[in-house]
Amino acid sequence: DTGVSQDPRHKITKRGQNVTFRCDPISEHNRLYWYRQTLGQGPEFLTYFQNEAQLEKSRLLSDRFSAERPKGSFSTLEIQRTEQGDSAMYLCASSLRGQGGPDTQYFGPGTRLTVL
Amino acid sequence: KNQVEQSPQSLIILEGKNCTLQCNYTVSPFSNLRWYKQDTGRGPVSLTIMTFSENTKSNGRYTATLDADTKQSSLHITASQLSDSASYICVVSGEGNDYKLSFGAGTTVTVRA
Repeated sequence: DTGVSQDPRHKITKRGQNVTFRCDPISEHNRLYWYRQTLGQGPEFLTYFQNEAQLEKSRLLSDRFSAERPKGSFSTLEIQRTEQGDSAMYLCASSLRGQGGPDTQYFGPGTRLTVL
Repeated sequence: KNQVEQSPQSLIILEGKNCTLQCNYTVSPFSNLRWYKQDTGRGPVSLTIMTFSENTKSNGRYTATLDADTKQSSLHITASQLSDSASYICVVSGEGNDYKLSFGAGTTVTVRA
C-alpha cells in the first residue's frame, strides 16, 4: 500500500453513461497525476496538478474527460458519454515536489473501467 | 513511436536465478530514468531513480544501470524469488519536464519454483 487510494477499484458501465473516479493522494503531496493504462502497455500521461492548479493536459484527454482537484487534496476524473475505447485502468499518482532532484511518484491501485 | 523501448517483452526464470532486463530510450534532453515494478492489477511501485550523472543504483536484489551516452539502461534481478513475478517498467522523463513520464510497455517476469 503506497498511501494513494482510488475509488472505485472496478467500474462497469454502459456506453454513453458518465463515470467519475476519485483519487486520494498522500496527504502532504502537492502534485497529483492521472494516467491511463491499457492491457500490455505502460501507463500514458493524462494530466497533472500542482496543488489545485491543473498545469498540463495530454492530447489524449478529449473534451469528454475532465479532472479537478478543488482544494489541492483529492482529485476526481470524470468521463462523459463513455465509449468502448475508454475501457482501461485509470491510475492516479502523487508526489512531493522538493527542492531538487526528481520526485518519486507513488501510484494508487487504479480504477479498472469496462465500458460495455 | 514510443520513446521508451523494453526487451524482452517477457521472460520466465527459475527461482534463485538472475536475470537482466533492457531499456532503450530516445527522450531528449534527458533528466532521469526510473524502474517500476507492477504486480498484476496493482499500481506501479518505484524501485530506482537515476539522474544522468548516475551509472548504477541498487535497491536490495535489484540493481539498475544507466548509460546516458548510449541511452540504455538495464535492471538486474539477483537470486530471483517467486514474489519477483511482475511487470517491470522503464520510465524516462525529460529535462524541465520531470512531471511527465514516458513509460515503456514493460517486461513481464515470471519466476517459477
